[in-house]
Amino acid sequence: GQSLEQPSEVTAVEGAIVQINCTYQTSGFYGLSWYQQHDGGAPTFLSYNALDGLEETGRFSSFLSRSDSYGYLLLQELQMKDSASYFCAVRPGSARQLTFGSGTQLTVLP
Amino acid sequence: EAQVTQNPRYLITVTGKKLTVTCSQNMNHEYMSWYRQDPGLGLRQIYYSMNVEVTDKGDVPEGYKVSRKEKRNFPLILESPSPNQTSLYFCASSQRAFPQETQYFGPGTRLLVL
Repeated sequence: GQSLEQPSEVTAVEGAIVQINCTYQTSGFYGLSWYQQHDGGAPTFLSYNALDGLEETGRFSSFLSRSDSYGYLLLQELQMKDSASYFCAVRPGSARQLTFGSGTQLTVLP
Repeated sequence: EAQVTQNPRYLITVTGKKLTVTCSQNMNHEYMSWYRQDPGLGLRQIYYSMNVEVTDKGDVPEGYKVSRKEKRNFPLILESPSPNQTSLYFCASSQRAFPQETQYFGPGTRLLVL
């Protein structure tokens, strides 16, 4: 089977930097994705890492270490609109299923 | 506009009354899937489809059926709904399953089974 762990809640202030961690255990591994979801709305794709290292997309960056089965999402210059749930997801050895973590609720304070 | 649509958006039903939630995408995507979302459990995959007439179970398939007769449509069928299927359901699609492709999610269907 596969499992992902991420913190349930993170709080930060506007303008700050926050890191959301994700550790995973899977039988095989093809990559780690991150999704954002506002208040029960549709999840939206943020980033994907297949190889070790940092991927940067504007204020958001995502990092992967395959040897450590670990990744993180880094949000810089936090804005109020970044308050949302963030999910990491992995595609394990079957390469068909997609398994999500239970999500991290980010609250950005003024 | 590229999108995934689901209907209905909200549904209240009673135990045992068969229902279907429709899902349609206009992006010619091969891969489609259904998820349910429950508090504290994140998104759990119910079924997925690699292409027309190709479907397979996800992590929580019990009590659900799907079909993929056309590329654009992937309905979710609850033959005999039970209260533990009360949840928020999302349909999603992507161009392919592998390598990783961005999944596009529908707006969600809130289901209450009494």
